[in-house]
Amino acid sequence: DTGVSQDPRHKITKRGQNVTFRCDPISEHNRLYWYRQTLGQGPEFLTYFQNEAQLEKSRLLSDRFSAERPKGSFSTLEIQRTEQGDSAMYLCASSFTTGANTGELFFGEGSRLTVL
Amino acid sequence: QKEVEQDPGPLSVPEGAIVSLNCTYSNSAFQYFMWYRQYSRKGPELLMYTYSSGNKEDGRFTAQVDKSSKYISLFIRDSQPSDSATYLCAIYNDYKLSFGAGTTVTVRA
Repeated sequence: DTGVSQDPRHKITKRGQNVTFRCDPISEHNRLYWYRQTLGQGPEFLTYFQNEAQLEKSRLLSDRFSAERPKGSFSTLEIQRTEQGDSAMYLCASSFTTGANTGELFFGEGSRLTVL
Repeated sequence: QKEVEQDPGPLSVPEGAIVSLNCTYSNSAFQYFMWYRQYSRKGPELLMYTYSSGNKEDGRFTAQVDKSSKYISLFIRDSQPSDSATYLCAIYNDYKLSFGAGTTVTVRA
């Protein structure tokens, strides 16, 4: 399977714990994105990387959230001191972007976080 | 105000019916207009996109954009049970996809 893979698929944690999600994009895709989706809503943009550089972060990404993409390959999204409001599906997507960007993103199946 | 507003569902239609899905957007700077499909417990997948006003067809699917009224639509002809999913309209500008809330469609056999 050469699609975007995310791990773990489901994480249950207690409030106050730290969690980390991993995303492996489609190889040779230079952009990697993180979105968050809650029940009954569309995905919301969190942040994106062009190669290893994090170029934009949403206001939704509080100080408790940190994302990295070392060496421009896989990415991790860490949430520190989780809160119940962090419960959501965290979606990773990747794209190959040149001069003209069409918005065709390839999404993974998501990592579902449940904070008790 | 959200950047993209999508007609709420859910929609339940008999097999073979035409499904009509609608969204409005607020920022005229948006460049690309997308429709993503999301099956239960899966990530969204791109169905089709367009960047100009008018219609674009792909098999049983037609995307329609009216930039003057900031209105986008998706029509599904001869709907099949396999079309049962959540359909998300999205607007793309530079690096960011702004999604509507999604409309869940069920096609009854």
